[in-house]
Amino acid sequence: DGGITQSPKYLFRKEGQNVTLSCEQNLNHDAMYWYRQDPGQGLRLIYYSQIVNDFQKGDIAEGYSVSREKKESFPLTVTSAQKNPTAFYLCASSIGGGSGQFFGPGTRLTVL
Amino acid sequence: GIQVEQSPPDLILQEGANSTLRCNFSDSVNNLQWFHQNPWGQLINLFYIPSGTKQNGRLSATTVATERYSLLYISSSQTTDSGVYFCAVEDDSGGSNYKLTFGKGTLLTVNP
Repeated sequence: DGGITQSPKYLFRKEGQNVTLSCEQNLNHDAMYWYRQDPGQGLRLIYYSQIVNDFQKGDIAEGYSVSREKKESFPLTVTSAQKNPTAFYLCASSIGGGSGQFFGPGTRLTVL
Repeated sequence: GIQVEQSPPDLILQEGANSTLRCNFSDSVNNLQWFHQNPWGQLINLFYIPSGTKQNGRLSATTVATERYSLLYISSSQTTDSGVYFCAVEDDSGGSNYKLTFGKGTLLTVNP
């Protein structure tokens, strides 16, 4: 089945720890994205990557880092510098700019 | 940046009723998508509709790009239609053709 997978589904972290969220796609899409959703809000873009080995900051990149070493994978690291990391994180992919984006099931991160 | 406003913010229907959700955006776009977020957080693609009209079963959507709005029609609503409906747009200001800007969503509750 083609699609986007994210793991883990739920993640708990202590303050001061870095944590990495996984996102994998087998749709052969060039572009991948990370969004954050807070309760009762829409999604906000953290980072996006148009192509392997390249990525750009979105609207709320501070405290996050990404890598894009493989076309299929776009992991997101939430660092200890992110002041309010508790949120729902969604990964997406698309063929390219201007085409429809497709989303994974998301990871709920809670900082204890 | 581009602004996206959705209305109404909340909508309660009886099963079988019809409804119209609206999305207004502040600038010209080269992508507009409607999503349904289910109770588990998954974003389901409904339509990719930067202009024109599309139909998929009981759902249809119309985007009038020149007047900067889109409408999502739900006919004969079912309890499984409950959830949050998001409109998201990608502006065509060049150089930002990868960023989706989301509205705050419409929370739809369909009662049996």
